[in-house]
Amino acid sequence: KAGVTQTPRYLIKTRGQQVTLSCSPISGHRSVSWYQQTPGQGLQFLFEYFSETQRNKGNFPGRFSGRQFSNSRSEMNVSTLELGDSALYLCASSLGPTLTSGSSNEQFFGPGTRLTVL
Amino acid sequence: GQNIDQPTEMTATEGAIVQINCTYQTSGFNGLFWYQQHAGEAPTFLSYNVLDGLEEKGRFSSFLSRSKGYSYLLLKELQMKDSASYLCAVRPYTGRRALTFGSGTRLQVQP
Repeated sequence: KAGVTQTPRYLIKTRGQQVTLSCSPISGHRSVSWYQQTPGQGLQFLFEYFSETQRNKGNFPGRFSGRQFSNSRSEMNVSTLELGDSALYLCASSLGPTLTSGSSNEQFFGPGTRLTVL
Repeated sequence: GQNIDQPTEMTATEGAIVQINCTYQTSGFNGLFWYQQHAGEAPTFLSYNVLDGLEEKGRFSSFLSRSKGYSYLLLKELQMKDSASYLCAVRPYTGRRALTFGSGTRLQVQP
């Protein structure tokens, strides 16, 4: 079974631009979550999608947005890029919707997109 | 608020045992996870605890005490390939998969 795939793997943008990142979950997984990883802040939750609906959102400004398609693929968008947005953006997929009692329902992470803002 | 603390760095010797501690204070609790992340790679799932006690999986074990807000990851028979960052994460909300991560512990295994 193929893992989580993310495209592109590396991206260089300049301040003020916008960027769209893509994530394809593991086949059969319908829940997709996005995280930002930086050396200073570690891994921080951005948002979670299931059935094309945002189910949960982290503490990030409105410049960060996302969506999920009917095939469970997800995209996230960052507008008006700032230098501080430079990070590794990780997508994670898991089974959904119900978290089975006693089961980990763990998230499987993709390789990430390394975004550099100049 | 959510707060998860773990040591920043640890060093251990090949063949030895190492324990990585994690303390947490979160608004809710619906499970604690340990992930391993090698440099430049994605985090990979190691273990999950939702009830108090020890979960053993080969060379790796994880312990949880909910009353103390405390967990540890125990790695036995250390190998050089175990050099990586180990991330402690809590799932605070029932019905939601969002994880709150600690900053990670960078483990260096020496010969």
